Amino acid sequence: NAGVTQTPKFQVLKTGQSMTLQCAQDMNHNSMYWYRQDPGMGLRLIYYSASEGTTDKGEVPNGYNVSRLNKREFSLRLESAAPSQTSVYFCASSDDVVGGRVTEAFFGQGTRLTVV
Amino acid sequence: AQSVTQLDSQVPVFEEAPVELRCNYSSSVSVYLFWYVQYPNQGLQLLLKYLSGSTLVKGINGFEAEFNKSQTSFHLRKPSVHISDTAEYFCAVSLYKGYSTLTFGKGTMLLVSP
Repeated sequence: NAGVTQTPKFQVLKTGQSMTLQCAQDMNHNSMYWYRQDPGMGLRLIYYSASEGTTDKGEVPNGYNVSRLNKREFSLRLESAAPSQTSVYFCASSDDVVGGRVTEAFFGQGTRLTVV
Repeated sequence: AQSVTQLDSQVPVFEEAPVELRCNYSSSVSVYLFWYVQYPNQGLQLLLKYLSGSTLVKGINGFEAEFNKSQTSFHLRKPSVHISDTAEYFCAVSLYKGYSTLTFGKGTMLLVSP
């Protein structure tokens, strides 16, 4: 069982370059999320998608765009990378929502991005 | 407003000693609570969760946590830690803020030494 798969695992970009982080889940989940993890900051939500064809901003969306290509895939794009976007990016998915609240979320292994 | 507060950024402990990692949350409505563990260069793995029922929740690897509604806390405990427990631990709360997601604390690094 693959669960949530992210590619690439590591990436180094130059300032101003663009790239897309890929995420796919094989659990038939409706909800998918992109978080970033920075030292001492925990995980912060960038964007989420409640279902195929819908996306919405989270806490820290500036500088990012997303695409929910289908139910399985949710990609994150950096159009013009900046050093402040150096971070570890996690994709997650969930289908257990009771009373509007997530009851469990599954995470990918992360993408470690450095912008120089 | 901070929904989840992890009171210690780092907790050093000797092997076989007990440990408690503290987590407090702020919410005016009922919440679901989680502890995740992240080993070096790995993703997040669910340790345990509280949805309802018994306030003492047992998880994997010998960890347990107690939900205390009056103190709005969800502290994680283990009676005897191993070197392999060295990792970062995240407390999270499930809220509805117009969307359903998990909100994380800033993490506590557990450092177990021989």
